[in-house]
Amino acid sequence: DGGITQSPKYLFRKEGQNVTLSCEQNLNHDAMYWYRQDPGQGLRLIYYSQIVNDFQKGDIAEGYSVSREKKESFPLTVTSAQKNPTAFYLCARSKGPGIGANVLTFGAGSRLTVL
Amino acid sequence: AQSVAQPEDQVNVAEGNPLTVKCTYSVSGNPYLFWYVQYPNRGLQFLLKYITGDNLVKGSYGFEAEFNKSQTSFHLKKPSALVSDSALYFCAVREIAGTASKLTFGTGTRLQVTL
Repeated sequence: DGGITQSPKYLFRKEGQNVTLSCEQNLNHDAMYWYRQDPGQGLRLIYYSQIVNDFQKGDIAEGYSVSREKKESFPLTVTSAQKNPTAFYLCARSKGPGIGANVLTFGAGSRLTVL
Repeated sequence: AQSVAQPEDQVNVAEGNPLTVKCTYSVSGNPYLFWYVQYPNRGLQFLLKYITGDNLVKGSYGFEAEFNKSQTSFHLKKPSALVSDSALYFCAVREIAGTASKLTFGTGTRLQVTL
């Protein structure tokens, strides 16, 4: 799994419900990211975090929230405010911002379907 | 803002023939460019990156990419395609935001290799 684990792999949610996607990494890396993937739109950045207790909004943060209480964990909550939450969600890690051109390593993804 | 464009939604190649997947970039300053591959229902896997130096970058699985500054391109190539190369390919560029860095992805190109 490249040292990064996402769960669950598949998730179904009713409209109006919040849902939390888990992302855990075991390589002591500083930076973690959440991307959303939709057909024909590539990957769009939701949130990212470079250090514990700090995170920044990406390009499409509305309707999402994150926390970074521990270095190894970066959960994403898809709230009921997110208008179109059905998508494939990808979490990634990298060593950190100051080390050249960092390679992102991705988890296997979580597919969320709103019923 | 930095960006990359992948002008082809799909590329079809016969096995054994050379393949090219196109990517153009728009950046201020020196570009840090990446190629990733995604197999169905999986996360993205890193193929190669260009930071500086040789314009021809070699990566995983026999892939290579040519950086062309005058044409602002970073096309992915392979001399002889395999059916197993069929996947979704993403070009990406690194962006610096304050003290953080993040990747901005293109919309992806689906490569179909047939016998």
